[in-house]
Amino acid sequence: DAKTTQPPSMDCAEGRAANLPCNHSTISGNEYVYWYRQIHSQGPQYIIHGLKNNETNEMASLIITEDRKSSTLILPHATLRDTAVYYCIVRGSNFGNEKLTFGTGTRLTIIP
Amino acid sequence: DTGVSQNPRHKITKRGQNVTFRCDPISEHNRLYWYRQTLGQGPEFLTYFQNEAQLEKSRLLSDRFSAERPKGSFSTLEIQRTEQGDSAMYLCASSSSLTDLFYGYTFGSGTRLTVV
Repeated sequence: DAKTTQPPSMDCAEGRAANLPCNHSTISGNEYVYWYRQIHSQGPQYIIHGLKNNETNEMASLIITEDRKSSTLILPHATLRDTAVYYCIVRGSNFGNEKLTFGTGTRLTIIP
Repeated sequence: DTGVSQNPRHKITKRGQNVTFRCDPISEHNRLYWYRQTLGQGPEFLTYFQNEAQLEKSRLLSDRFSAERPKGSFSTLEIQRTEQGDSAMYLCASSSSLTDLFYGYTFGSGTRLTVV
């Protein structure tokens, strides 16, 4: 699986959009970008994923650059409950690539 | 279905003792994963089952670790002769091979092991 690079920490004011970047410059054509988050003392929670198109769901939006070498997770109106560690993960779609490989993620702190 | 259930939530054991953790996945999920997480690190993959077959094991899974999923439903992770370095959060996740590319995994809340 391709390796990802994320900033170790970020702050965002409550009510503003939180934009979390991720670099995955070695991503291959059949690899998806997944985002998970982990709130303190809980297991990781799936947020969103994408292949090459931008995606939006009720939790967030995912913007993937045209060359697919980086992406940004957007939380449009951050709340205090969005304080968590956010993981960007690249995963292949082939058999044998089922597991998710986590890095150290970005610790996002929402400031009141 | 209330999600992925892990028991116990916390376990304190003396060095050298054996411990066993249980994971009950979402009932329609055929894949089950075990991860370990230490403070400040992301979860590290340990092993994965599809139905009752253990398809992949990490080199992190030493001979003291064994995982089973005897009937393709719940799973157990046993650690023999525990060491202080085994202190960590042990996470279980489940998914469906039919849909996990699109819906991801569902994680449990973990079992926190402390070896004293």
